[in-house]
Amino acid sequence: GAGVSQTPSNKVTEKGKYVELRCDPISGHTALYWYRQSLGQGPEFLIYFQGTGAADDSGLPNDRFFAVRPEGSVSTLKIQRTERGDSAVYLCASSSGQGGGYTFGSGTRLTVV
Amino acid sequence: KQEVTQIPAALSVPEGENLVLNCSFTDSAIYNLQWFRQDPGKGLTSLLLIQSSQREQTSGRLNASLDKSSGRSTLYIAASQPGDSATYLCAVYSPGAQKLVFGQGTRLTINP
Repeated sequence: GAGVSQTPSNKVTEKGKYVELRCDPISGHTALYWYRQSLGQGPEFLIYFQGTGAADDSGLPNDRFFAVRPEGSVSTLKIQRTERGDSAVYLCASSSGQGGGYTFGSGTRLTVV
Repeated sequence: KQEVTQIPAALSVPEGENLVLNCSFTDSAIYNLQWFRQDPGKGLTSLLLIQSSQREQTSGRLNASLDKSSGRSTLYIAASQPGDSATYLCAVYSPGAQKLVFGQGTRLTINP
């Protein structure tokens, strides 16, 4: 597609529930990144995919967070047993490579109540 | 570990002024540096991308410079307008990290 698409744009869930956030990158971009942004802060890295594999998942805060990219295109970020502290904007970005810039989606605002 | 700092955290100026936003990074071994704009409740919009071999990039009223050896970048906005009000984020891409590392952002308000 022309840009990075993230769905849903907003998600409200109850504490303890499971959520999935979807990212559809720019067609042909092999690199895909997930970031989390809390209010008033810069985005913080979660995980990076090169193709289908997670090249770096060092930013995932704990084992409740998991992400997949099974066909090297669309990615899903999965959060189990959500907690109120998970509330944030989750941003996805894609890139054509090291020399190229990142293009970000509009984000998913997750609110855990 | 790469760390990025943006100063000031917030800035409020009257319309029409020229202004400079600052970004510094601790590890000078970078591939590129990117400036983004973020409107409240929105995603990030890329403004300028400077490769490590470049000294500056320009787009309209925006000019970004890069001094890799000193670990600094500046974003210059000429003739500021109320529509420029947003948060401006600086981020660097390092070969070791293989990801963008962001500063905390500068929240800019242009007063009519």
